[in-house]
Amino acid sequence: AQTVTQSQPEMSVQEAETVTLSCTYDTSENNYYLFWYKQPPSRQMILVIRQEAYKQQNATENRFSVNFQKAAKSFSLKISDSQLGDTAMYFCAFMNAGNNRKLIWGLGTSLAVNP
Amino acid sequence: EAGVTQSPTHLIKTRGQQVTLRCSPISGHTSVYWYQQALGLGLQFLLWYDEGEERNRGNFPPRFSGRQFPNYSSELNVNALELEDSALYLCASSSERVPGNTIYFGEGSWLTVV
Repeated sequence: AQTVTQSQPEMSVQEAETVTLSCTYDTSENNYYLFWYKQPPSRQMILVIRQEAYKQQNATENRFSVNFQKAAKSFSLKISDSQLGDTAMYFCAFMNAGNNRKLIWGLGTSLAVNP
Repeated sequence: EAGVTQSPTHLIKTRGQQVTLRCSPISGHTSVYWYQQALGLGLQFLLWYDEGEERNRGNFPPRFSGRQFPNYSSELNVNALELEDSALYLCASSSERVPGNTIYFGEGSWLTVV
């Protein structure tokens, strides 16, 4: 069974600094998708970034980038120039490229950006 | 463009009652998903509907059910409510036209069972 592990329940960073959130996953599949979602206090789940497993190039979205290490089954999220609005729960999620469309979630990392 | 919309946002029910939650997907999205986010348990996949059909189901008892309408909106029904059903229920949608099966979420419906 696929699993997703986020080993950092809580993290904090100073405004304008860089922080990296860790995520590892376990799967026997070769083709899949990985996601980072952000859930602020409003509770809406917001997509941060997506990575296709067949792509070697790491995905980047403005201040957010990933370090995707397929062999190590690692998918970390780097947030550069942290802003107060980045304070949220961050969830790593996995989806098999097959047709079950089921997201498997980590338990989340609570990130606090301090002024 | 409107995002995924859910109603109601909050509700309180008594154990044994039944509840219906509603979801409208992003315009043009044909797939709708339901997830349960219970305190301490993380997010759990409930259901996936596409083109009016149930395509996949998570490990939940049959008292959790739903349907998708011709306009692609969806309902989640929970019968015989139990205290542990208290959770945030998130609806999400996706489109085949968006690469990577990216799923977009609504703001959720908070259900409290007392």
